[in-house]
Amino acid sequence: GAGVSQTPSNKVTEKGKYVELRCDPISGHTALYWYRQSLGQGPEFLIYFQGTGAADDSGLPNDRFFAVRPEGSVSTLKIQRTERGDSAVYLCASSAWDSAVRVTDTQYFGPGTRLTVL
Amino acid sequence: AQSVAQPEDQVNVAEGNPLTVKCTYSVSGNPYLFWYVQYPNRGLQFLLKYITGDNLVKGSYGFEAEFNKSQTSFHLKKPSALVSDSALYFCAVRDPGSSNTGKLIFGQGTTLQVKP
Repeated sequence: GAGVSQTPSNKVTEKGKYVELRCDPISGHTALYWYRQSLGQGPEFLIYFQGTGAADDSGLPNDRFFAVRPEGSVSTLKIQRTERGDSAVYLCASSAWDSAVRVTDTQYFGPGTRLTVL
Repeated sequence: AQSVAQPEDQVNVAEGNPLTVKCTYSVSGNPYLFWYVQYPNRGLQFLLKYITGDNLVKGSYGFEAEFNKSQTSFHLKKPSALVSDSALYFCAVRDPGSSNTGKLIFGQGTTLQVKP
């Protein structure tokens, strides 16, 4: 079946501009994650949704970053007043909910959006 | 604090030889451990995971990993490397302190180079 998709694949913007990054999870996956991967680093957690609500946003670096998932499927990561330090690959992942053990299952990642802030 | 270490930035092996990519972790409680592979300009692809049970876990593309609780390690292995295995490999641990959120903590990554 279809995997996680992310749009756009590349985004170039100027310092101070607003950007939106979109994630379409695997159909039926209730859990959705955003990670940020800087050059030469492993991905770092940003935010986790279970359904429509942000269950854990402890990884968001500051209040310029915000994410929504209004209908429990597609999610949008929003970055206001972008800075050069925001340049990175933003990865989205989704997973099913294992009701037997009450934890999320394996996370499957999308191809990422490469954000460049000039 | 929870952490994952991949002590080698790069591993070089000849095609047909066995390969090992090392990973050690530091978490409180029982870890859930994962390996992912990343090809250039691609997202992360899931290879395998350890949750509980047999310490030797088998995954995709002939890869396996051995969980060693006493050494807090989860090394990735393959008996015979292929040139197409050349990629960036990430070890990750599910943060047990995050309740049921399942957020992953990743290592820095290890570049595997398989030469013909």
